[in-house]
Order: sequence, then C-alpha cells, then structure tokens
Amino acid sequence: AQSVTQLDSQVPVFEEAPVELRCNYSSSVSVYLFWYVQYPNQGLQLLLKYLSGSTLVKGINGFEAEFNKSQTSFHLRKPSVHISDTAEYFCAVSDRVTPLVFGKGTRLSVIA
Amino acid sequence: DSGVTQTPKHLITATGQRVTLRCSPRSGDLSVYWYQQSLDQGLQFLIQYYNGEERAKGNILERFSAQQFPDLHSELNLSSLELGDSALYFCASSVGRGVSYNEQFFGPGTRLTVL
Repeated sequence: AQSVTQLDSQVPVFEEAPVELRCNYSSSVSVYLFWYVQYPNQGLQLLLKYLSGSTLVKGINGFEAEFNKSQTSFHLRKPSVHISDTAEYFCAVSDRVTPLVFGKGTRLSVIA
Repeated sequence: DSGVTQTPKHLITATGQRVTLRCSPRSGDLSVYWYQQSLDQGLQFLIQYYNGEERAKGNILERFSAQQFPDLHSELNLSSLELGDSALYFCASSVGRGVSYNEQFFGPGTRLTVL
C-alpha cells in the first residue's frame, strides 16, 4: 500500500521569498501524484498533478512541482510567495487503482 | 466555488445519536467521494460511489454508511456517534469512475461536533 509523508507540518516564510514544501511517497508501483491546497474554511482545491511525461509540473497560482522517481519525492515550489498563499497544502498519491492517499498536510504561513 | 454543495455546514449532536450529511456533486459528475478530516488522522478516504453504485471503500467504520441516489446526490449516515467522530466531513466529486487520475472537486465540508 502507498503512503505519503509531508516532512514539515508548518512552514513560515516571508512575503516574496521562495518556498519549498516537501513530499515523499512510498509505493511499489507507478503512481499518480497530486498537490491540493485548502484555504481557511474551504474545501480542497487541486494545485497540480503528475500523471506521466515531463517530471516538472506547473500548476495554478505560480506553483510547480518536480517528480523525482529515484528519490520518491514530489516537492512543491514557488519562487515568490504572497500573503494569499497562506493555506494548508496536501500531497496525495494514487497507485492508479486505489483511492487517493493524502499526507497530513503542511501549513504555509506567509509573513508580511 | 467548486460547484459541490454540502449541508449542513455545522452539526452539533450528542453521543449515541445518528446524523445524515448531504452532498450534491457538480453538474455532470457521476462520482462522489466522502472524506473525514481530523487533527490526529488527517484526511481519510471513506467511500466512493459512481452512478449509484459503491466503487471503492476506505477506512469507513461499520457505524457509517452512505448511498448515492438516482439524482446523483449522496448522503453519509453516521450512527451511534462517539466523541471521536467529531471531525470535518468532506464530499468531493469527479466526472469519471476512475478513483485515481480524475481531478476531485471538494465541497466546503460539514463540521460535526459530538458532545
């Protein structure tokens, strides 16, 4: 069975600074990978997904993530964050058959 | 706005009681998923329905049950409630039957508090 580890539960960062949110997964088979964002008092929203092809995936709001098969990682990055990026970010994995497995989330706090 | 609606937004009830949470998927989506989000367990997949049929099952307790009706709305029934069932319950929908690659659109959630 697959699992997801988000290495940081909280990440504070100053406005306009770069950020990386880390995600590692474990699976014995090929996977689909996702990042979702949850703004305060809202449901989750898809940021980006990796299904196949290019390992660098671009998503909404200037975020991107890189799939690294050898490191079993799918880290999320943004070169310059805004206050509005303050939210909880969830990494999720699927082995293409079973439902999504979510990580515990990383709370990104952008400081003015 | 994802297009997925959930009612009620908040629910406060007592231990031992039974509640029903309701979800209407986005127009055209045939799959409905239910998740439970709590501080200690994170976001846990409970169950998926596709066009009225159960498609996949996750960590859903026997005290919980769900169904999807012909108009595609879904209900999650929670019975014999315990304090530990207090959580945020999300519904999501997607267009296809596949559990993995389709984007899921999440509703705003129902916050259940069991006293």
